Amino acid sequence: ETGVTQTPRHLVMGMTNKKSLKCEQHLGHNAMYWYKQSAKKPLELMFVYNFKEQTENNSVPSRFSPECPNSSHLFLHLHTLQPEDSALYLCASSQGNPSARWYTEAFFGQGTRLTVV
Amino acid sequence: QKEVEQNSGPLSVPEGAIASLNCTYSDRGSQSFFWYRQYSGKSPELIMFIYSNGDKEDGRFTAQLNKASQYVSLLIRDSQPSDSATYLCAAPASGGSYIPTFGRGTSLIVHP
Repeated sequence: ETGVTQTPRHLVMGMTNKKSLKCEQHLGHNAMYWYKQSAKKPLELMFVYNFKEQTENNSVPSRFSPECPNSSHLFLHLHTLQPEDSALYLCASSQGNPSARWYTEAFFGQGTRLTVV
Repeated sequence: QKEVEQNSGPLSVPEGAIASLNCTYSDRGSQSFFWYRQYSGKSPELIMFIYSNGDKEDGRFTAQLNKASQYVSLLIRDSQPSDSATYLCAAPASGGSYIPTFGRGTSLIVHP
């Protein structure tokens, strides 16, 4: 059983829908991440939160809206997505100290396979 | 600008052989490096990390780091069909954030 849990595992949504992805980590980490993985492309970092504060936003379109209410939970709110947004969305957590510039290895959830129709 | 480069493969090796996977990175200040394995349809799982120049061994896996040449490699001895997966190299991103950036991954196929 992974220490990082993502729900749902699969999601099909229309372009006008609003949906949310949920991630929960039970590892006591202080940093949480959203990654996007499309076919034939590297993992793309989307957002990073450290102690609930967003520290990275890699020029992600506003139709993706993250929320981090505490260090254990992370959400990705989806609104008016495009078919090219179909991908595997991965949540990960690690210990990190942005001011000291270090992060330990990331532990991943099982991912949400998103299909936009 | 790509910061972590991997050959996408596929790399095909026979069962029992040594598989050698390579990764280069652009930031000379990078300190830590991670190798992840990702089976098709699954999420990445950490298999090795290395901080110091030289070799680090863990079972059938050996990670090698050469900071002068800016490359890190992963050797898998006695390769098994169950090792068939995509192997991702991760290194801290340049620009000061030090959040791990992933390479494209190398697909490894171990055939019986």
